[in-house]
Order: sequence, then structure tokens, then C-alpha cells
Amino acid sequence: SQTIHQWPATLVQPVGSPLSLECTVEGTSNPNLYWYRQAAGRGLQLLFYSVGIGQISSEVPQNLSASRPQDRQFILSSKKLLLSDSGFYLCAWNGGGDNEQFFGPGTRLTVL
Amino acid sequence: GQNIDQPTEMTATEGAIVQINCTYQTSGFNGLFWYQQHAGEAPTFLSYNVLDGLEEKGRFSSFLSRSKGYSYLLLKELQMKDSASYLCAVRDTNDYKLSFGAGTTVTVRA
Repeated sequence: SQTIHQWPATLVQPVGSPLSLECTVEGTSNPNLYWYRQAAGRGLQLLFYSVGIGQISSEVPQNLSASRPQDRQFILSSKKLLLSDSGFYLCAWNGGGDNEQFFGPGTRLTVL
Repeated sequence: GQNIDQPTEMTATEGAIVQINCTYQTSGFNGLFWYQQHAGEAPTFLSYNVLDGLEEKGRFSSFLSRSKGYSYLLLKELQMKDSASYLCAVRDTNDYKLSFGAGTTVTVRA
């Protein structure tokens, strides 16, 4: 069966520090992968998506970047975090009979 | 772009029925999804509609009218564990991207 992992689960970082969040998928090949952010009390905002290794599409201009070094690995990064980067970061992939998106457990990031 | 609207909050009594409406205005449409999200957790898939009509899955049903840009999620025989946020999402025709509404927080009271 397919599984999606994210780590770390929670993270507290100072303003100006770098960030690296990792997402890996098991049990599938060549998935479409997505990074979302959910700010407190708000909906999910699509940040990046990838249809294959090295292929990244950015949805909104921001302080973050994404990379896909391997087929089942998707990384979200920042060189210098801002307070506004705080939120719940969710990785997702397309699968299932209706190509629904399945979400990883998420990383809760607090920037102080 | 996508514009997706749903009510912010709803409250209902255990055993009752609640209907969560979602309206959308989109540049492309390739299906509408409903997700359930408990506080502090990731969303989980509930239902999918791409054709007009009603899809039933146990206590949960979802309806779609493409001509009206309208969907609803119907929760029957409410249980306390149904207290959660319910997210409406529309899939784009390109790369299966999803655009989400802000979510409807449903509180079930005894």
C-alpha cells in the first residue's frame, strides 16, 4: 500500500534561519507531488507541485523553494525564514481510483 | 483562477443531519472533492463528484451541480466524532491541482 511520510512533525525556528522539510512517498512510482501551507484558521494554499524529478512549478511568489531530487522525494526549503512562514505544511500525492490527493501527516512550523 | 466559498461554522445536535454548501467559480473543472480535517491533523478524503448528481457513502453524501457551480456535503446521523473542519476542493484540468475553500467547522453537540 502507499504511504506518505513527512518530517519533522513539529519545528520551532527563529526568524532568519534556514528550513528544510522532507516528504517521501512509498508504494508508488512517478507520483504528482504537492506542497500546501495552512495558516491558522485558513484554507490550504498550494505552494508547489511536481510532476517528475527536477520538475517544480511554483504557485505563489514567496520566501520558499522546492526540489525533487528523487522520484518519491519532495523537499521544501527556505534560506531565511520569516514570521509569516509559520503554519501547517502538508505534502500530498495523487492516487486512488479518482486520482484524489492523499496527504501526509504534516509539519507544524512556528517561526519566532 | 478559482473562487470557492463555504460557510465558516455550523453547529448541530448528535443524531441530526447537517448540510454544508460549497459554491465555486473556476477557470477549469475536473472534479470536486470533500475532505474532513480534525484539529491538528491532515485532511482525509471523503468524496468525489465529477458528474451531476448525488454520491452516497454510508452516512455521508455529496451532491454536484456543474451548471450552478454548487455542491453540498450531507452528514447524517451525526456523531460526536464528526466534529471537524470540512474542506471543499475543486480540481483543475491541469496537473490535477486542487484549490481549497477555507473550510467549514462543524461542531456536534450532545
